[in-house]
Amino acid sequence: TQLLEQSPQFLSIQEGENLTVYCNSSSVFSSLQWYRQEPGEGPVLLVTVVTGGEVKKLKRLTFQFGDARKDSSLHITAAQPGDTGLYLCAGGPNRDDKIIFGKGTRLHILP
Amino acid sequence: DTGVSQNPRHKITKRGQNVTFRCDPISEHNRLYWYRQTLGQGPEFLTYFQNEAQLEKSRLLSDRFSAERPKGSFSTLEIQRTEQGDSAMYLCASSLGWASRARGARNYGYTFGSGTRLTVV
Repeated sequence: TQLLEQSPQFLSIQEGENLTVYCNSSSVFSSLQWYRQEPGEGPVLLVTVVTGGEVKKLKRLTFQFGDARKDSSLHITAAQPGDTGLYLCAGGPNRDDKIIFGKGTRLHILP
Repeated sequence: DTGVSQNPRHKITKRGQNVTFRCDPISEHNRLYWYRQTLGQGPEFLTYFQNEAQLEKSRLLSDRFSAERPKGSFSTLEIQRTEQGDSAMYLCASSLGWASRARGARNYGYTFGSGTRLTVV
């Protein structure tokens, strides 16, 4: 069974600080996606990483896919209250067209 | 196209009643997925369709659950004889599929609807 472990589960920091959240697995994934979800809404795709070692930047967000394609990190620079939300990583698809999700990191940015 | 649409947004039902949810995916997406999400958890896979064919069902999907996508467009998820443990957010998502050459792997991902929040009392 493929599992994605996200850490930390919860993170509360002050506006302007930097942070990194992690997504780890013992399985190799063909690709990995990061989503952000706000209360009462569905997840929204932020980025897809495909190649081992790949780094993608989305404004203040930097996503990295591990060399072995088993893990990923999301780094936020100068966090803002608008970054508050549940950050989900999702891996796959592998043999089928299905992706699996981690439990998420709940991020709260204090103004 | 306005994205993935789910109805209703909220549903409160008494234990033992049947409920049905609807999902309208992005029109050009041939894959449609149902996930369930409970508080503090990530979405858990329930089932998915390629066009009208249901390709996989999770063990989470008991006999009380049934999903259809009759014409390969919208989909319905029905829960019969609801139980309190069925209370959750039910999410629908659609995609072009991994093998699609039009989008390619680098743009792969799901587009989710806003979900249907089910409360069984």
